This record gives sequence, structure tokens and C-alpha cells, in this order.
Amino acid sequence: TQLLEQSPQFLSIQEGENLTVYCNSSSVFSSLQWYRQEPGEGPVLLVTVVTGGEVKKLKRLTFQFGDARKDSSLHITAAQPGDTGLYLCAGDRGTYKYIFGTGTRLKVLA
Amino acid sequence: GAVVSQHPSWVICKSGTSVKIECRSLDFQATTMFWYRQFPKQSLMLMATSNEGSKATYEQGVEKDKFLINHASLTLSTLTVTSAHPEDSSFYICSAIGVDIQYFGAGTRLSVL
Repeated sequence: TQLLEQSPQFLSIQEGENLTVYCNSSSVFSSLQWYRQEPGEGPVLLVTVVTGGEVKKLKRLTFQFGDARKDSSLHITAAQPGDTGLYLCAGDRGTYKYIFGTGTRLKVLA
Repeated sequence: GAVVSQHPSWVICKSGTSVKIECRSLDFQATTMFWYRQFPKQSLMLMATSNEGSKATYEQGVEKDKFLINHASLTLSTLTVTSAHPEDSSFYICSAIGVDIQYFGAGTRLSVL
């Protein structure tokens, strides 16, 4: 079974701090996505990375896909309370059949 | 942009009854939709792939007779939880593939009493 392990599972930080979330697997994925989910809602796509070593930036969020396409990271600079949520990575097993990571619950305190 | 609508957003039912959840792609056609299940404070678990005009493909460990999926049109897939029991209480989320992007519905919270 392909697994996507995220770390840390929980993270509580003060506003203004930086953080990094990791998504690791022993399997290779053709692409990997990052989502943020609010309680009681569906996940919202943040980014899709496709090429090994690719780095994408979305305002204060920086996403990186590992060279071997087995892992990824999400770095948030100067976190804000609005960044609070559940962050999920998801790897494409082919034909858009995604396997989701174990999730990282982030809480940013004002 | 593309939107996926899920209905109902919340349902409470008695044990033993069946519940139907609808997933609609509002402004695009989706030959493939996916159904996920999410327990509190956990990640999404893929239950099945819904294919328009053919049988759904279920993930290992998911009972196909328990979770009936029908994808009768290019814009609608339904998930029916049959003879629901309290352990079926969960957050069910569907998704549809638009132009190279997977769009998620807002989810349905099922509570079985």
C-alpha cells in the first residue's frame, strides 16, 4: 500500500513564525498536490507540482517537489492566523487517482 | 471556475435506513468522480472511483454492497449508504476531474443515530 506520511501531525505556532511541513513516501508519483481544508468543508487545492526538483511559490507559501518525486515540502513564511487549517498532500497514482497524506493540522495563534 | 456541488451538506438518519448523497459537476462534464471518506481529525481515504456509464471501482476494504455508487450522467454521481449504522457516521467528500484539475465538493456530514 502506498503511503504518504506527513510531519508534523500537529503544529501550533505564534503569528509571524515560519514553518515547514513535510510529505514523504517510498513511492514515486507523477504529480503531487497540496490542499488546505477548513473544518466541515472540502479540501481546496493550493498547488500542483509535477517536475522533480520543482519549486513553486504562492505568496508566503513555498512548495518543493523532491528530485526523485517521492517527497515534497511546504514552507510558510510569517504565518498568520488565516493560515490555520488542515494541510494535506496528495500523490497522483495515475489517472488522477490521488492518495492523500496523513495530514498536518496547523494552528497559528495571534 | 469549475464547481462541484454536493448535497446534502448534513444528514442525520436512524440506524438501518439508507442515505443518498449527490455529487454534481456544475459547469463541466466529468466522466470520472471520486468518493472519499474522512473521519474526525484524519485525512481523506479514497473509497471508490465512479465511472460514467460503468460500474464503480472500489478500493480494498470498501464494501460495494454497503456503499452503492451510480454515475448515470456526465454531471452526476450518487453514493448511497445502505442500512446505515453508527459506525458509518463520517464526512463524505466527492471530487470530479475538470481540465487536469481535481475539484472537491464541500462534503456531506452523515450522522447515524
